[in-house]
Amino acid sequence: GENVEQHPSTLSVQEGDSAVIKCTYSDSASNYFPWYKQELGKGPQLIIDIRSNVGEKKDQRIAVTLNKTAKHFSLHITETQPEDSAVYFCAASNGLGSSNTGKLIFGQGTTLQVKP
Amino acid sequence: NAGVTQTPKFRILKIGQSMTLQCAQDMNHNYMYWYRQDPGMGLKLIYYSVGAGITDKGEVPNGYNVSRSTTEDFPLRLELAAPSQTSVYFCASSYGAEKLFFGSGTQLSVL
Repeated sequence: GENVEQHPSTLSVQEGDSAVIKCTYSDSASNYFPWYKQELGKGPQLIIDIRSNVGEKKDQRIAVTLNKTAKHFSLHITETQPEDSAVYFCAASNGLGSSNTGKLIFGQGTTLQVKP
Repeated sequence: NAGVTQTPKFRILKIGQSMTLQCAQDMNHNYMYWYRQDPGMGLKLIYYSVGAGITDKGEVPNGYNVSRSTTEDFPLRLELAAPSQTSVYFCASSYGAEKLFFGSGTQLSVL
């Protein structure tokens, strides 16, 4: 089955700097790659996602890149702010298309701390 | 819309006791999921359902059971609670196999 590895486990940056979180996946059939943000005491919330037919997607200060050949995808946060401090999870699924199983497999999470 | 509602928020069980974690969604989503979250381990999929009457195992199904008799509800049953089931449990739903909406979680301790 699918296995998702996420690095680093913790990341500390100064406000205004950029943050990059990387994930690798094992199943070449995976075609959907979301990123979730989890604030303390809350459930994860989707912040951006990308499908396998796209190499990059951007939404204001956040962007995701996908390298299908290397089975890597990354989250980039620019101009970080203290409110970006949270736990971030990547995930992978082969849930799109005819082989739709709906199983979303998560990475281990990255705790991001943005220092004012 | 209330979204995904989980009850209870906290629960302490004794070893061997049973309980049901409730999950309901009001978004008419076909897909529903149960995940558990342990410190430093991310979210592990326990069971999922692609529609009423259909359930399937995830990564860590042992010790749990689910049912999906309606589109709205997806309860998770623990029959004989063990300390290894101490965790935070999240229910989620989605229209298709993407863009999951999560509940606020149930923190369970088995002592």
